[in-house]
Amino acid sequence: GQNIDQPTEMTATEGAIVQINCTYQTSGFNGLFWYQQHAGEAPTFLSYNVLDGLEEKGRFSSFLSRSKGYSYLLLKELQMKDSASYLCAVRDPNTNAGKSTFGDGTTLTVKP
Amino acid sequence: ETGVTQTPRHLVMGMTNKKSLKCEQHLGHNAMYWYKQSAKKPLELMFVYSLEERVENNSVPSRFSPECPNSSHLFLHLHTLQPEDSALYLCASSQDSGGGPNEKLFFGSGTQLSVL
Repeated sequence: GQNIDQPTEMTATEGAIVQINCTYQTSGFNGLFWYQQHAGEAPTFLSYNVLDGLEEKGRFSSFLSRSKGYSYLLLKELQMKDSASYLCAVRDPNTNAGKSTFGDGTTLTVKP
Repeated sequence: ETGVTQTPRHLVMGMTNKKSLKCEQHLGHNAMYWYKQSAKKPLELMFVYSLEERVENNSVPSRFSPECPNSSHLFLHLHTLQPEDSALYLCASSQDSGGGPNEKLFFGSGTQLSVL
């Protein structure tokens, strides 16, 4: 089976750094995606990791350890607009085409 | 013009009604998807189409019927729905559906469906 775990909620202060973790247990692995979803809006793609290590993209970075089944999304210099839900999704090649399994999402609240 | 457009944005229907959700992608992608998003639940994949052929039907009740007439358009036909089907229905597209970074999803704004 597939199991994706993320914290339900996190709170951080504007200007700070926050790390959102995602752990997964899947029969196979072919990439991990992070998406951002503001309330009432559609999810938007943030990052993709398939090899171990850190991928940096501006204020956002994503890390992957395949041996530990672990990823995190790092948000630096937090802004109020970063308040959103962050979704982790894992692609298992043993599932049918196009089938990434999503976690429940982490709701991040950024406070002044 | 956004990449993936969905209509309608909101839909209220009775359990005996028949309605359809429409999705159009302007990105030249080969794969299109329907997802269901309910409160307190993860995104649930319903259907995947790759090059207009259905490649995934994730045990969805037959009261949901997808249609993909071409690679740019996707429909979800609804009939005799139940109140528990009330949710946000999201359409998405990706370059392809074979795994890898090309499978990153571009979502439409969704249809908020309420079944009375």
